[in-house]
Amino acid sequence: DGGITQSPKYLFRKEGQNVTLSCEQNLNHDAMYWYRQDPGQGLRLIYYSQIVNDFQKGDIAEGYSVSREKKESFPLTVTSAQKNPTAFYLCASRRGEYTEAFFGQGTRLTVV
Amino acid sequence: EDKVVQSPLSLVVHEGDTVTLNCSYEVTNFRSLLWYKQEKKAPTFLFMLTSSGIEKKSGRLSSILDKKELFSILNITATQTGDSAVYLCAVSNYGQNFVFGPGTRLSVLP
Repeated sequence: DGGITQSPKYLFRKEGQNVTLSCEQNLNHDAMYWYRQDPGQGLRLIYYSQIVNDFQKGDIAEGYSVSREKKESFPLTVTSAQKNPTAFYLCASRRGEYTEAFFGQGTRLTVV
Repeated sequence: EDKVVQSPLSLVVHEGDTVTLNCSYEVTNFRSLLWYKQEKKAPTFLFMLTSSGIEKKSGRLSSILDKKELFSILNITATQTGDSAVYLCAVSNYGQNFVFGPGTRLSVLP
């Protein structure tokens, strides 16, 4: 089935460690997004990419990094520079400008 | 700065009630407004609105957009416990980004 797969579902990180969240889609979508969701809040944009080998910072990019080497894949690295990384992370993709975004099931990251 | 505001932030109703959720926005280069339902994890798509005054319906849910007054409403009639969720409003701008509101948490009691 076509869709977006995020892994892992749950991730625990020690302070000072970098971790990478995976996002893969087989929908042939050009645009991909990473959002962060904190309890009781909406989604905030971390990074987005509209085409392979190109990506742009969103509203809260500090402490995060991404790559887009393949159309299907848009991994997010949470670096040790991110001061408060505990949150729910959602990846999304979209075919074009006047279409909806499809979301993965999310990764819940906890710093221990 | 682009902004989306939703109201109320939280709502508790009983089964069978009708609810109206509000979304207002200030976005440059508006392209579309979208509604999503988020129950546990992934938001699921409900509606996309691009033109003013044209109602979109799906079963007991309906939505309409007013581009002059910069708002949209989502109506749910004859609510059921399965409608309990967070309803997110998002606006798409020229850069193909989405700006999300904080969501309305709807609780439907039996």
